[in-house]
Amino acid sequence: DSGVTQTPKHLITATGQRVTLRCSPRSGDLSVYWYQQSLDQGLQFLIQYYNGEERAKGNILERFSAQQFPDLHSELNLSSLELGDSALYFCASSPPRVGSKNIQYFGAGTRLSVL
Amino acid sequence: DQQVKQNSPSLSVQEGRISILNCDYTNSMFDYFLWYKKYPAEGPTFLISISSIKDKNEDGRFTVFLNKSAKHLSLHIVPSQPGDSAVYFCAASDPLETSGSRLTFGEGTQLTVNP
Repeated sequence: DSGVTQTPKHLITATGQRVTLRCSPRSGDLSVYWYQQSLDQGLQFLIQYYNGEERAKGNILERFSAQQFPDLHSELNLSSLELGDSALYFCASSPPRVGSKNIQYFGAGTRLSVL
Repeated sequence: DQQVKQNSPSLSVQEGRISILNCDYTNSMFDYFLWYKKYPAEGPTFLISISSIKDKNEDGRFTVFLNKSAKHLSLHIVPSQPGDSAVYFCAASDPLETSGSRLTFGEGTQLTVNP
């Protein structure tokens, strides 16, 4: 158990809909990251939050948005869903870097199926 | 532009023998490298890491080697066990201040250890 909790585990919805994925980081971790893994591909970085503030953006679509709340949990909002958005969405958290050391701990993921 | 590449989608070895998983990268700014293991329906689990200032890190049966001049790293598992069968992801860290770093992942290598 990594200590990172993601809900729900599975989500099935239709094209054009909007969904919210939730992530609770490990106790004490201030950074939260979101990644997308499409079929047979590696994990693609979407966005990072640190203590409530957006810190870095990757290849995140404009239809997607995220936020981190004062209790440090984070939500990833996906809207106007398309078939190609079907993927595994992972959340990770990490403590502050010490030197170059940066280990991210991942949740079990949310599997999104857009029909 | 794939900055981290794992050229072997799959690898099959006999129990007790050595497994060698390879990873190449192109971005010389990466300063920390990690290997994650992933079982189906689970999130990636951190396995071992190495700083760019080192060339070897060992943890039990797992050793990671880094060749900076060749921009190449490898993961050695000795001896391999059937429970090691999983997808292995190589990841590289791109420093973003002290709040954490994004990870760039390879596509993964499916390791199968046969009894």
